[in-house]
Formats: sequence, C-alpha cells, structure tokens
Amino acid sequence: AQSVTQLGSHVSVSEGALVLLRCNYSSSVPPYLFWYVQYPNQGLQLLLKYTSAATLVKGINGFEAEFKKSETSFHLTKPSAHMSDAAEYFCAVSEGDDKIIFGKGTRLHILP
Amino acid sequence: DAGITQSPRHKVTETGTPVTLRCHQTENHRYMYWYRQDPGHGLRLIHYSYGVKDTDKGEVSDGYSVSRSKTEDFLLTLESATSSQTSVYFCAISELDRTLVGYTFGSGTRLTVV
Repeated sequence: AQSVTQLGSHVSVSEGALVLLRCNYSSSVPPYLFWYVQYPNQGLQLLLKYTSAATLVKGINGFEAEFKKSETSFHLTKPSAHMSDAAEYFCAVSEGDDKIIFGKGTRLHILP
Repeated sequence: DAGITQSPRHKVTETGTPVTLRCHQTENHRYMYWYRQDPGHGLRLIHYSYGVKDTDKGEVSDGYSVSRSKTEDFLLTLESATSSQTSVYFCAISELDRTLVGYTFGSGTRLTVV
C-alpha cells in the first residue's frame, strides 16, 4: 500500500528565503504525486501534480517540485518566500486506483 | 469552490445523537470522498463513492455510514456521535481521470461532539 511521509510538522523561513518542504513516498508501482495547500478555515487546493511526465513540475504561486525516483522523494520548493505563503501543505500519493493518500501535513510559517 | 458545497459549515451535537453531513456538487463528477482532518493525522479517508449507490470504505470507516442516491449528493452519517468524532470533515470530488487531476475539496464542516 502506498504511504507518504512529510518531514517536519512545522517549518519556519524568513520572507524572501528559500522554501523547502520535504516529502517521501512509498509505492509498489510508479506513483502519481500531489502537493496541496490549505489556508486557514478553507479546504485544500491543488498546487501541483506529477503524473509521469516531466520530473520537474511547476505549480501555482511560484512553487515547484522534483520527482526523484532513486530517493523516493517529491520535495516542494519556492525560491523566495512571501508572507502569503503561510499555510499548511500536504503531500499526497496515488497508485492509480481510486484513492489518494495524504501525508500529515507541514505548517509553513513565514518570518518577517 | 463554487462546484462543491458542504452543509452545515459548523455543528455542535451531543454524544449519542445521530448526525448527517451533506456534500453537494454541481460538476457531475462520478467520484466523491469523505475525509476527516485532525491535528497530527492529516487527512484520513472515511468512505468514498464510485457512483450512485456505489460506495466503499476507507481507512477510518468505523462509526460512519454513507449514502449516494443522486450523483450530486453524498451524505455522511454518524449513527451515534462520540467525542472521538469531533473533527473537521471534508468532501472531495474528482473526474473519471481522477489520478491525473487530483481532487477538488469543499470548505469543510467543523463538527464538535460534546
């Protein structure tokens, strides 16, 4: 069965600094991978997805993620953090069946 | 998201009472899902539906039942609410090629069982 591990339940970065949120997955087949963002009191929004095309995936709001099969990783990055990026981020995996499995989330704090 | 609506948005109920949460979509998507979100646990799948009258259990289905009599509505029922079911509940929908597009989520229902 597939699973997702997000390293760090809380991450703090300074405004303008690099954002790096880590995600490692486990899957018995080539996976589909997703990053979602959740702002306070809202549902989850899709940031980006990997579906076996290019390994470097670009998403909304300047975020991108790189699929590394050898490391079973799908880390999320953004070159320069903005205050509006403060939110909770979820990595998720699917094996192409009917379900997407979510990680436990990483709350991103932006320091002024 | 305008295509998916959850009701109520907030509810407080007493232990032992039945509770029904509603998810309504206007997208005519085949697949619908119920998740619960709890601190330290992320999102956990409760039940999901492939279509009308076609449902299946997720990883945390005990104490919950669902029904889907119409494409647009997916109901989640807590037959006898317990304090452990205090949570935020999210509904999600997806198209047939769900793994390519991911899910669209509702805004959530915050349920408190006292």
